[in-house]
Amino acid sequence: ETGVTQTPRHLVMGMTNKKSLKCEQHLGHNAMYWYKQSAKKPLELMFVYNFKEQTENNSVPSRFSPECPNSSHLFLHLHTLQPEDSALYLCASSRNRGDNSPLHFGNGTRLTVT
Amino acid sequence: GQNIDQPTEMTATEGAIVQINCTYQTSGFNGLFWYQQHAGEAPTFLSYNVLDGLEEKGRFSSFLSRSKGYSYLLLKELQMKDSASYLCACMDSNYQLIWGAGTKLIIKP
Repeated sequence: ETGVTQTPRHLVMGMTNKKSLKCEQHLGHNAMYWYKQSAKKPLELMFVYNFKEQTENNSVPSRFSPECPNSSHLFLHLHTLQPEDSALYLCASSRNRGDNSPLHFGNGTRLTVT
Repeated sequence: GQNIDQPTEMTATEGAIVQINCTYQTSGFNGLFWYQQHAGEAPTFLSYNVLDGLEEKGRFSSFLSRSKGYSYLLLKELQMKDSASYLCACMDSNYQLIWGAGTKLIIKP
């Protein structure tokens, strides 16, 4: 298995639920990212991890909580979300943070908050 | 502020050529990326330009003019499978990626 794998592909959750998104990369990269993609809007960077350490949190509400146990795995824990959080959540990895290596994306989790 | 502009949607005919433009305003510059994203799928890397000029990769070419803050992606011999969104992203002086909203390309037979 190669590339970046995200699960689940689709998720429907109520505003009081707790769920987690999972991402795994098999590319030997050191940096991992969470992005939010909404229709007709630019990708929004949420969190960045480099060598398992969080290096960026772009003013993301605390109802989104990332976890990076090692350089290959990244989670996004969700709780008490709002309907406006419905979007495609993309995980990506790159060789390192702070260089011009391209991002490799997973297929994303389509999240619907009801 | 930092900004990327690209057309929202374009339509082209199978077998033809299409040029997708991207203009940028960023704090510093460390290169410009183009990604392709089919509906429901991951964005995939197409090209990277950091020096002025044209980079060709098969049917796809990417051009950069740093003095004009301008890039384009040129797609030749269009195929139906080229129907997708094309994302322009510019890397600023802090190696932060600034993304455009994407151009949805519709190919008609």
